[in-house]
Amino acid sequence: GESVGLHLPTLSVQEGDNSIINCAYSNSASDYFIWYKQESGKGPQFIIDIRSNMDKRQGQRVTVLLNKTVKHLSLQIAATQPGDSAVYFCAERSNDYKLSFGAGTTVTVRA
Amino acid sequence: EPEVTQTPSHQVTQMGQEVILRCVPISNHLYFYWYRQILGQKVEFLVSFYNNEISEKSEIFDDQFSVERPDGSNFTLKIRSTKLEDSAMYFCASLIGLAGNEQFFGPGTRLTVL
Repeated sequence: GESVGLHLPTLSVQEGDNSIINCAYSNSASDYFIWYKQESGKGPQFIIDIRSNMDKRQGQRVTVLLNKTVKHLSLQIAATQPGDSAVYFCAERSNDYKLSFGAGTTVTVRA
Repeated sequence: EPEVTQTPSHQVTQMGQEVILRCVPISNHLYFYWYRQILGQKVEFLVSFYNNEISEKSEIFDDQFSVERPDGSNFTLKIRSTKLEDSAMYFCASLIGLAGNEQFFGPGTRLTVL
């Protein structure tokens, strides 16, 4: 069956440094991927998305890279700030807009 | 900015009791979802709802679960006879339509079954 997963459960990063969060997926038929951020006690919050016909998409301080050859997705956060501390999930969307989430990476920003 | 709201924020119940979790999706959205997240685990899809009927449900969403949109604003998840393993955060989400990309999530209801 399909699965979406992250490589590392935790990431500690110095404030101001760049963060890279990785995700591997197994369903080669997936055509749309999303990164969500979840702060403590809150619901998932959309960060950025990418379609399978793209390999890179940039937002404000965030970049998502998609490598379909190895079924790998990454989220890069530039100049990481304390407010970036959260759990980050990658998710794939099926045709009916159901989301399948990965396990999550907890990012901790050190001052 | 419009947002999805959920009540209550925390629900404690005894095993075997019925619970109803409530959600108010964003007003012009047409697609509604319930997800759950067991503590420390990933978010799992439960059910999607469109045009007053279930469009898809997961293996988790068994006969003990039901959803309803009783009026034009509320979207509810009912668990008829709760089990210990139903303890989790339950998130409601809504989507404007198939042209939209972003599912907006509510803050969640923490369900504790004792």
